[in-house]
Order: sequence, then C-alpha cells, then structure tokens
Amino acid sequence: EVQLVQSGAEVKKPGATVKMSCKVFGYTFNAFNIHWVRQAPGKGPEWMGLIDPDDGETMYSDRFQGRVTITADTSAGTVYMELSSLRSDDTAMYYCIKPLTLLGYELHKWGQGTFVTVSS
Amino acid sequence: EIVLTQSPGTLSLSPGERATLSCRASQSVGSSYLAWYQHKPGQAPRLLIHAASTRAAGIPDRFSGSGSGTDFTLTIDRLEPEDFAVYYCQQYVRSPGLTFGGGTKVEIK
Repeated sequence: EVQLVQSGAEVKKPGATVKMSCKVFGYTFNAFNIHWVRQAPGKGPEWMGLIDPDDGETMYSDRFQGRVTITADTSAGTVYMELSSLRSDDTAMYYCIKPLTLLGYELHKWGQGTFVTVSS
Repeated sequence: EIVLTQSPGTLSLSPGERATLSCRASQSVGSSYLAWYQHKPGQAPRLLIHAASTRAAGIPDRFSGSGSGTDFTLTIDRLEPEDFAVYYCQQYVRSPGLTFGGGTKVEIK
C-alpha cells in the first residue's frame, strides 16, 4: 500500500526555519516526483514545489522561491521540505503528495500533513 | 499565473439532490489539465477527477467532471451524506504555477 508519512507538528517563532520530512512506502521511491502543498486555516490549497527524487531536480512556485528548499534522501526513501524566514501567515498544514503519474501534477496520494504554527 | 474562480462559494442542498459546481479559469487550460479535489475537516484532500473528466480510482460514478478551455463543472448526482465537504479545482497546465480555486462548500440544507 502506498503511504506517505510526515513528521510531527512544529511550533516556530517568526524569522525561524522549519524542516519537515515525508517518508514514502509502497512504491519505488525515485520513480515519482513528490509535491508539497500547504493549506492555511480557512484558505484554499497552495502549491509550493516539487522534487524529482531520481536526480534531485526541483521546481518551486514563484511565491516561495528563495524561501523553500526541497531535498531527497534516496537511501532513506524520504523527502524534506525546508521553509525559511517564517512569518505568521506561514501557519498552515503542509502536505507531501505523490502524483498519479510519473511526471504528473494530479495530486493523488497525500501524506497526513504537518501542521506548522508560527507565533511569537 | 492562472486564476481559478469557483462558484458558488457555498451550496446548500439536501441528500439526494444534485450539486453543480463551477470553476472558471482566467486563461485556457485546455481539456486535460484540470482536476477536482474533495476536502473534509481533519483529512487530507482527495483527488476525485483529473483531465477534466476522468474519475480517479475508487471514486463513485455519481461524481462527474466536464468542460474545457476556461469553463469546467463538477457534478455530484444524488448527494450522499459523506459528500458534504469543500471542493477545489486545480489547474496544471502552467508549471511552475499550479493553482487552486478558492473552493465551494457543499453543506446540508
């Protein structure tokens, strides 16, 4: 069974950096991109970026360019997402997602989410 | 960036009724790059429809998608109690720059 298991909730102060993990199970790790999407309370989802675990190539939303870094550890079957210069409006649930197809953007299998609270 | 506008914001219906949700794009997304998701509180969103009209595996056939270009529709025939949720459309013709609509809440009347 395909599963994406994310790290636990985080509480950070403004200006800090958060790094969260997403461990995948049930399929060949480097066969599919992994996307990151966040959803603030009461708001719609927002795409942040993706990584191709096979070669580490990334693509980021212009909105987060310069603040987000997505990496992959093939030996651990884990993808990491780091967001820097945190602000209160970064408070949100962050999801990692496996797409439906190899290079697709249909967001099929979602992790359980990591909630990040940014507060002084 | 392609902006997706969903309407109505809230749809109040009774179980057994039909729900018709609209998603309008600021630029054409063709006929293959539009998806729909269902989101319930405390859960991750679930992919319902991709390529505008193809149901994802395991999605009941009361869910159907249609449209092309800039106008898309999600129809839910005979609403079941578990269908009351928020629904989002998403375009993926422009990358980077995948965008979601603001959502339509389907609530029990």
